[in-house]
Amino acid sequence: AQTVTQSQPEMSVQEAETVTLSCTYDTSESDYYLFWYKQPPSRQMILVIRQEAYKQQNATENRFSVNFQKAAKSFSLKISDSQLGDAAMYFCALDKYRGSQGNLIFGKGTKLSVKP
Amino acid sequence: AAGVIQSPRHLIKEKRETATLKCYPIPRHDTVYWYQQGPGQDPQFLISFYEKMQSDKGSIPDRFSAQQFSDYHSELNMSSLELGDSALYFCASSIQETQYFGPGTRLLVL
Repeated sequence: AQTVTQSQPEMSVQEAETVTLSCTYDTSESDYYLFWYKQPPSRQMILVIRQEAYKQQNATENRFSVNFQKAAKSFSLKISDSQLGDAAMYFCALDKYRGSQGNLIFGKGTKLSVKP
Repeated sequence: AAGVIQSPRHLIKEKRETATLKCYPIPRHDTVYWYQQGPGQDPQFLISFYEKMQSDKGSIPDRFSAQQFSDYHSELNMSSLELGDSALYFCASSIQETQYFGPGTRLLVL
């Protein structure tokens, strides 16, 4: 069975600093997708970044980047130059299948606070 | 850019009543998903449709049903509502394995 684990229920970062959120997963698939979603207090689910397992290069989106370690089944999110608007719940998610209409499997989330 | 549209945004129902949630996917997206997120929990997959056919099923109660129509919008029908059905219900649509979520429908069952 596929699982996603986020071991940090809460994290805190100072504005303008860098923070890394951890995620590990388990899957028997060789091809899959990984995602980070952000859920602010409005509870909207916002896609932050995605990583395709067959790509060795780590994905980057502006201040957001990932460290994808396929052998270790690790997928951490780094937020640089943290801003107050980054405060939210962050969910790591695994796409169950590739090339099919698979559903996302989410971790329990990490609540990120940003201190001014 | 167009986003996923969900209606209604808020819904209050009594126990044993019926509710219908609607979802309008992003144009040209071929797959629609429904998720349920309880308070303080991560989203749980309910059901998905690919090109108007059910493609995958998760932990959806038998009291719930869903379908996708010819115009690609989807509806989640929930009958005999229970207090435990109070949650945020998300619809998402996808193309090329990336799912984009709507704003959700907050259902409160009293």
